[in-house]
Amino acid sequence: KNQVEQSPQSLIILEGKNCTLQCNYTVSPFSNLRWYKQDTGRGPVSLTIMTFSENTKSNGRYTATLDADTKQSSLHITASQLSDSASYICVVSAGYGGATNKLIFGTGTLLAVQP
Amino acid sequence: DVKVTQSSRYLVKRTGEKVFLECVQDMDHENMFWYRQDPGLGLRLIYFSYDVKMKEKGDIPEGYSVSREKKERFSLILESASTNQTSMYLCASSLWGDLYSNQPQHFGDGTRLSIL
Repeated sequence: KNQVEQSPQSLIILEGKNCTLQCNYTVSPFSNLRWYKQDTGRGPVSLTIMTFSENTKSNGRYTATLDADTKQSSLHITASQLSDSASYICVVSAGYGGATNKLIFGTGTLLAVQP
Repeated sequence: DVKVTQSSRYLVKRTGEKVFLECVQDMDHENMFWYRQDPGLGLRLIYFSYDVKMKEKGDIPEGYSVSREKKERFSLILESASTNQTSMYLCASSLWGDLYSNQPQHFGDGTRLSIL
């Protein structure tokens, strides 16, 4: 069964600290992995999209890693800011094309950055 | 920047009503999507469309239908609203490709629908 599991469910950190969010997946065939940030009351915004051959991808203070062998990804946030408080959603895309294509969503990690 | 606009942020309807949720994107994107988001369940795909007048069922299409008469507009229809359709509904668009392609999806800010 295709699944995406994120951990932790929620996290509280102090402003300026770093943190790492985890995403484990059991999806086949793998196409790509995406990280989205969703602020409260807003729609998700794309942070990164990584294909099978990409190990690391950065977007400002956000760095995503992908280990396709162990089927794990992480999102590292450096020097956190209050505006980083949000839900972070991992999404894995699977399929070769056509009607079998699937997007499998994780349930998100809720991050709270405190002053 | 891509703009995906959903017609209402909040909507309250009664059981049995026919409900229309509207979504418009301004970047000439080929693909449009409707999701619902519930606590603890994440986003679930209801329907998507690759082109005008074209639609495909997602994971939870029961009780819903869609319409895409123009490229920029994608409507979600609840034929006879029920209380279990109370949810946050999110519309998204992407440039091209199937669901596995490397194009990011751009989301609207959602419609919080309550069915009483």
